[in-house]
Amino acid sequence: GAVVSQHPSRVICKSGTSVKIECRSLDFQATTMFWYRQFPKKSLMLMATSNEGSKATYEQGVEKDKFLINHASLTLSTLTVTSAHPEDSSFYICSASSGETYEQYFGPGTRLTVT
Amino acid sequence: AQKITQTQPGMFVQEKEAVTLDCTYDTSDPSYGLFWYKQPSSGEMIFLIYQGSYDQQNATEGRYSLNFQKARKSANLVISASQLGDSAMYFCAMREGPAGATNKLIFGTGTLLAVQP
Repeated sequence: GAVVSQHPSRVICKSGTSVKIECRSLDFQATTMFWYRQFPKKSLMLMATSNEGSKATYEQGVEKDKFLINHASLTLSTLTVTSAHPEDSSFYICSASSGETYEQYFGPGTRLTVT
Repeated sequence: AQKITQTQPGMFVQEKEAVTLDCTYDTSDPSYGLFWYKQPSSGEMIFLIYQGSYDQQNATEGRYSLNFQKARKSANLVISASQLGDSAMYFCAMREGPAGATNKLIFGTGTLLAVQP
């Protein structure tokens, strides 16, 4: 099956700094990538949808200036959490789709802790 | 209104028995897809099974089957012959619109399944 990787798997950063999370589709071209956020024992909440070469579409309530998403190639999307605060601590999961079928492949997730 | 509803926050099942995890959905789009994912404590999302709104038969994948009742807007997951490794969080999700147009998924709140020996 298709493989999606995320890097880093865990990151701890200080309040006020920025952190970048990468999502890569390893063996297929992902025309669309999705970024989700999950709080402990909660559901996945879609943050934004990114299509290669165009601006991301953010869900209502998600600050686009705080969560910068770039989808520069068909195999890479990045999420940058700018000026991180402790309330940004969460599990961030990406998924990728080729857009040809219903299938959506999830990355293993990145656990962000802001101190 | 909730688009995807999972009313069971937690479920217990004895090893080797079958268990049904409930999921109801709400959409006015005639074309949609329903998914079930398993999330163990490690956090990865594992795809289990998919049902398209126009599929005539209920989906099955090994020990997983989806009891699709379109008129009731329910898509319950049935796990047969439960194993200890099935203990995890289970999420029901829906895609509105035809496959490929947008694969944006809406997730339910999840059901935590514990398989007891």
